[in-house]
Parts: sequence; structure tokens; C-alpha cells
Amino acid sequence: DAGVIQSPRHEVTEMGQEVTLRCKPISGHDYLFWYRQTMMRGLELLIYFNNNVPIDDSGMPEDRFSAKMPNASFSTLKIQPSEPRDSAVYFCASSLGAGPPYGYTFGSGTRLTVV
Amino acid sequence: AQTVTQSQPEMSVQEAETVTLSCTYDTSENNYYLFWYKQPPSRQMILVIRQEAYKQQNATENRFSVNFQKAAKSFSLKISDSQLGDTAMYFCAFMGRDDKIIFGKGTRLHILP
Repeated sequence: DAGVIQSPRHEVTEMGQEVTLRCKPISGHDYLFWYRQTMMRGLELLIYFNNNVPIDDSGMPEDRFSAKMPNASFSTLKIQPSEPRDSAVYFCASSLGAGPPYGYTFGSGTRLTVV
Repeated sequence: AQTVTQSQPEMSVQEAETVTLSCTYDTSENNYYLFWYKQPPSRQMILVIRQEAYKQQNATENRFSVNFQKAAKSFSLKISDSQLGDTAMYFCAFMGRDDKIIFGKGTRLHILP
């Protein structure tokens, strides 16, 4: 099993540009989560999906952020337009089932730098 | 809302020593799960150990064990015979009914040779 795959690993972009982060969850996992990690705020849950349907997006900071999951094997997190304060590491994680005590399997993260 | 607090931002211990990382949490739920995750410099988030709140027995995984005190809402991690590869950020985390994992701010652990 290749685990949760995120791309790109690093992204540097200019303020105002659109940024798209990608995630491929573990096959068979029906929950997918997007987290943001910063020094100041730690790990924050942005949004999560169950069976490709967004369940809770209360952590999405602004309308500039959007996430989609068109199928069970792919999700995107888009920022448009990007701002320097969006610089962070963005993690995707997937999980099997509803509430089993397995924790999540995380991807390696995308480090986003907005200049 | 649930909260997770790690009061030790950074710790250092000598290799082979035992170290304990503290974590407290707040919740009104009775059934939940607690986790410790490790984040080495590679940035990968790795599940170290988990504990179900309904189990009184403390979880153990090789050199890693927890001290779960449900009434006190405390969930500390003990690392025995620490190794250089244990150097990492350690995050305490809580999962309740809503299946969302809430993380603490982390403790940066340095294992010194």
C-alpha cells in the first residue's frame, strides 16, 4: 500500500495566484481530512469528507479556500487568490470507517510558500 | 468544544533515559479515543499509540506506554530507553463522537547522544 499520497511536496507561488493541492487517499478509506499546520496555530482541521461528500467545512478559513472530492481516490484543496498568510504545511489524511479507533493515516504534506 | 493541551513546548533528554510527555484534554463526552502522533523532521505524521477511553488498561507499544487518567483527563506518554530516532515533535490528539481528531500544539523532543 502506497499510503496517502500528496502532491506537490513543495509549492512556492506569488500572492494572488491560484494554488491547487492534491491528495490520493488509501484505497478503501471512506474518510478524507485536510489539515493545515503552522507554528502559531498548530494543526487545524479545515474540512473532511465521508464517501466523497463534505461533512464539515467549518474550519475552512475563508471563501478563498475550497475543497472537492470528485471520486473516492482523489481530492483537491484550492486557494484562490493565495496570500502570504496562507503559507503553511497542508496535510491530507484518510481513515477507514466511522469512528473506529485507528486514527488517521497522513500524507507527507505539502509545504506552501506564498511570496 | 474539546481542547487538548500540551504544557511542555520542548524537552531534551539523554539517550537511553526515560521521558514523559504530558497532555491534558477537556471534553464532556464519555466515550472517545486518544492518540499520540510523532512528527520527525521528515514531516510525516506517524501514529505512535492509541487509547480507548472505555478501557482502563493503559496502552503499550514496545517502548511507548501511556498513563491514562480519565477522571483527571490526563493522557501522558512515556518513552523508555529513548533513542536518537525518537527525536521529533509529539502531538497528543483527541477523537470524539464527530470523528474529528483535535490536536494539541505539540512537544518538541530532543534525544541527546
